[in-house]
Amino acid sequence: GENVEQHPSTLSVQEGDSAVIKCTYSDSASNYFPWYKQELGKRPQLIIDIRSNVGEKKDQRIAVTLNKTAKHFSLHITETQPEDSAVYFCAACYNFNKFYFGSGTKLNVKP
Amino acid sequence: EAQVTQNPRYLITVTGKKLTVTCSQNMNHEYMSWYRQDPGLGLRQIYYSMNVEVTDKGDVPEGYKVSRKEKRNFPLILESPSPNQTSLYFCASSLIGEGAFFGPGTRLTVL
Repeated sequence: GENVEQHPSTLSVQEGDSAVIKCTYSDSASNYFPWYKQELGKRPQLIIDIRSNVGEKKDQRIAVTLNKTAKHFSLHITETQPEDSAVYFCAACYNFNKFYFGSGTKLNVKP
Repeated sequence: EAQVTQNPRYLITVTGKKLTVTCSQNMNHEYMSWYRQDPGLGLRQIYYSMNVEVTDKGDVPEGYKVSRKEKRNFPLILESPSPNQTSLYFCASSLIGEGAFFGPGTRLTVL
């Protein structure tokens, strides 16, 4: 099956700095890559996603890049704010039906 | 309001006592799925359903059953719960091949 690895497991940045979280996947049949934000005690929420036919997607301060050849994708958050503090999960969707998640990155934005 | 609901939200039970966690969505989504979340392991897919009467195993299906008799409902059944099924469970729904809307979670403890 698919294997998704996520790094780093924890990330601490100063408010206003950028944060980058990286994920790799193993199966070239994976074709959809969502990112979720989970605040403490809350449910995961979709923040951005990218499909295998696109290399980059941006939504305000958040962007995702995908390198299909290298099988890795990354989440970029610019101008971080304290409310960005949360756990972020990447995921890979295999064959439009099975989802495999990374183990999560705890982001701490220091004011 | 578009939502995914789960019940119960908290459950403490004993080994071997059958239980069902209900999940319902009001967005007319074809795709529904169950995940378990354990510290350091991210989210792992238990079962998914592409439509009514169509279900399939995810990454960790052992010890679980599901059914999809109606489009809006996707219950998770533990016929003989064991302590290693103590976890936080999330139901999710989406259009096929899209990012998921998650329910609020069910925290299950099996003694």
